[in-house]
Amino acid sequence: AQSVTQLDSQVPVFEEAPVELRCNYSSSVSVYLFWYVQYPNQGLQLLLKYLSGSTLVESINGFEAEFNKSQTSFHLRKPSVHISDTAEYFCAAGGTSYGKLTFGQGTILTVHP
Amino acid sequence: SQTIHQWPATLVQPVGSPLSLECTVEGTSNPNLYWYRQAAGRGLQLLFYSVGIGQISSEVPQNLSASRPQDRQFILSSKKLLLSDSGFYLCAWSLGQPASEAFFGQGTRLTVV
Repeated sequence: AQSVTQLDSQVPVFEEAPVELRCNYSSSVSVYLFWYVQYPNQGLQLLLKYLSGSTLVESINGFEAEFNKSQTSFHLRKPSVHISDTAEYFCAAGGTSYGKLTFGQGTILTVHP
Repeated sequence: SQTIHQWPATLVQPVGSPLSLECTVEGTSNPNLYWYRQAAGRGLQLLFYSVGIGQISSEVPQNLSASRPQDRQFILSSKKLLLSDSGFYLCAWSLGQPASEAFFGQGTRLTVV
């Protein structure tokens, strides 16, 4: 069985501050990890993914996540956030049959001016 | 390129009324299709998935059903809505492999009154 835990339901930060959104997973199969972002009343958009290879993966808008197998974590970081980064972020794990994903509970990131 | 359409965007229905939400995918063949429900603070819960026409798997017992009458069409239905069916419903597709990411529609906000 798989599970994904996002340790913070809400993270408030000021603009230009660094941020870390935490995600831990448990899985009995090979795991593939994803971060999605959701803006209000919209669907989810893929932010970045870890499939294999380098444990540090980056997105085009400055986010990065590091796969840490020993700590079973896949935390999302950004060194300097913008107001436009305000959204809900979901960590997800794949690796099961039929492409099903297991999602965490979500973290609402609010960036204040 | 592939696109996914989901409608309607919002829906207000009385208790006991029927429901039909539709999702179509363009630009790919034989996708795996999924219906997720999102509740505040609880992440995304997979309701149904389909690996082919007429093939539906249910992940959780509930008042809803799903159908796939065509390769790229996925429908979520109910004969009689309950108050507890209120939520944000998301359709998604993937290539169905363990490492596959999912691509989401814009979602339907359903309010049962």
